[in-house]
Amino acid sequence: ETGVTQSPTHLIKTRGQQVTLRCSSQSGHNTVSWYQQALGQGPQFIFQYYREEENGRGNFPPRFSGLQFPNYSSELNVNALELDDSALYLCASSETGGDEKLFFGSGTQLSVL
Amino acid sequence: EDQVTQSPEALRLQEGESSSLNCSYTVSGLRGLFWYRQDPGKGPEFLFTLYSAGEEKEKERLKATLTKKESFLHITAPKPEDSATYLCAGVSQGGSEKLVFGKGTKLTVNP
Repeated sequence: ETGVTQSPTHLIKTRGQQVTLRCSSQSGHNTVSWYQQALGQGPQFIFQYYREEENGRGNFPPRFSGLQFPNYSSELNVNALELDDSALYLCASSETGGDEKLFFGSGTQLSVL
Repeated sequence: EDQVTQSPEALRLQEGESSSLNCSYTVSGLRGLFWYRQDPGKGPEFLFTLYSAGEEKEKERLKATLTKKESFLHITAPKPEDSATYLCAGVSQGGSEKLVFGKGTKLTVNP
């Protein structure tokens, strides 16, 4: 059973640039969620994808967007990066209709300079 | 607005010194209360899900309990390898499986 994998592990960007983060979900899981974790804070929900459709969104602006592919892998795109976007971005997969248990990847640490 | 508050923010224990972490929540129509462990530079690792008041779950030195307003994570005779940040999260009825997390409790167990 393969776990949730994210790439890249670290990324440095400058303000105004765009970034794409990638996630491969755990085998058998059809739902992917993205969370942002600022230093010293708990993860905050960005959005969730189920069967390639967005299935819920948190309080994040439209410059945060995502995709889910037929193999259930996913991308998080952030346009017009701001300094406050510096954080650990976590991807989690789950099996909808199960017990809502999320399996997290190790995250992508994004630094915006 | 759904909210989860954890206390204390940080806790230092000696090896073998038992204690409890608190998680209070205001989540409308709570569907489940989750506990995760997070090591530095890693993603959260699932520990427990609790669904109804009075429910208890155990795993090694950890026991999680749930009331109508809060949850406790009891740590019995902790070891240095239990050092981590412990996160509590709630999910409400309906809609997506959006977890609302607290800020976590950073636990340090000294040998």
